[in-house]
Amino acid sequence: DAGVIQSPRHEVTEMGQEVTLRCKPISGHNSLFWYRQTMMRGLELLIYFNNNVPIDDSGMPEDRFSAKMPNASFSTLKIQPSEPRDSAVYFCASSARTSGAQETQYFGPGTRLLVL
Amino acid sequence: AQKVTQAQTEISVVEKEDVTLDCVYETRDTTYYLFWYKQPPSGELVFLIRRNSFDEQNEISGRYSWNFQKSTSSFNFTITASQVVDSAVYFCALSPWGYSTLTFGKGTMLLVSP
Repeated sequence: DAGVIQSPRHEVTEMGQEVTLRCKPISGHNSLFWYRQTMMRGLELLIYFNNNVPIDDSGMPEDRFSAKMPNASFSTLKIQPSEPRDSAVYFCASSARTSGAQETQYFGPGTRLLVL
Repeated sequence: AQKVTQAQTEISVVEKEDVTLDCVYETRDTTYYLFWYKQPPSGELVFLIRRNSFDEQNEISGRYSWNFQKSTSSFNFTITASQVVDSAVYFCALSPWGYSTLTFGKGTMLLVSP
């Protein structure tokens, strides 16, 4: 079975450019999560969706970051304009949330972003 | 508030040694879940185990074993007869029951030398 798919795997861009990261969750999963990993701050949750609806976006750093989930099989995380401090590895994860049960999050391979 | 502490930043062992990775957590919830993930040098995060707070039975999976002690708020991970392929960063994480979000520790980097 295909796991979580992320693209691109690597992105190098210049400060001020728009960056779009993409994620395809595991088929049948109804929760999707975006994380950012840096040496200084570790793994941070940016936003998560349940049934395509954003539930908690309190981790989104600022207005330059936005995330969408137009359907159950696709999500994007956009940074506009990008800044060098946005350089990090961005992970997407998905899980199958059912009532009364605790799900396990499965992670994609990550997108390594470098903003020059 | 949730908190996960992995006090060991880095551990170095020689192949075939046993090694234990410590995880201490803080939560006010009575029901919660604990997780371990592995991040090898290739960078992906691999799920290893999930345990719930009302099941303190230790678990063994091959060379891996987990010791959950609610009384000390610890969920330690032991690798028996370590191998070079075990070299990775290992993360402990906590999630309250009914919530989707994970709180991660800072991770422990394990280096297994031949």
